[in-house]
Amino acid sequence: ETGVTQTPRHLVMGMTNKKSLKCEQHLGHNAMYWYKQSAKKPLELMFVYNFKEQTENNSVPSRFSPECPNSSHLFLHLHTLQPEDSALYLCASSQEATGRYGYTFGSGTRLTVV
Amino acid sequence: GESVGLHLPTLSVQEGDNSIINCAYSNSASDYFIWYKQESGKGPQFIIDIRSNMDKRQGQRVTVLLNKTVKHLSLQIAATQPGDSAVYFCAELGSSYKLIFGSGTRLLVRP
Repeated sequence: ETGVTQTPRHLVMGMTNKKSLKCEQHLGHNAMYWYKQSAKKPLELMFVYNFKEQTENNSVPSRFSPECPNSSHLFLHLHTLQPEDSALYLCASSQEATGRYGYTFGSGTRLTVV
Repeated sequence: GESVGLHLPTLSVQEGDNSIINCAYSNSASDYFIWYKQESGKGPQFIIDIRSNMDKRQGQRVTVLLNKTVKHLSLQIAATQPGDSAVYFCAELGSSYKLIFGSGTRLLVRP
């Protein structure tokens, strides 16, 4: 247990479904991140939140909608996804958004879009 | 642009031998580097980090070497064990203050 908890661990959804991924950190960090990890690709940064304000949207399609109600919780709302969106979605947190102390990752949600 | 690259996608070593995983980076202004280990079904886990004012840092069975002249980073694992089998990522703190990850090297430990 790293202190960053993601649920669910696995998710299968149809292209017309709406689902949400949840991330919670118990480390007192102020910044939270969503990453996408596809096979044989580097980790792709999707969104950055600092003190619950979005500071980065890395050209992510609007079918992915993040929400950060407070510094400890981060959601990724999903709707009308495509099969190519199937991947491991990782949440991370850090003390501050500069990343100067590294990131702590959760175990990820394995998403399959059918 | 900034990039972090890995020389080999897969490294196979005999149990008990030392492992060396290499990484190249392109931004000479980067001043913080991290190695992560990712086991199957888990997220990346911090192994060791190094700042640019150092050229070597040691942990338990792991050593990170930083060569700023050629922009090269390496992770050395001593006496490699089966539990070391995983994908290893280097990450660079770029000028935008975000960690940039390489594509990873898979380490396979042969019994």
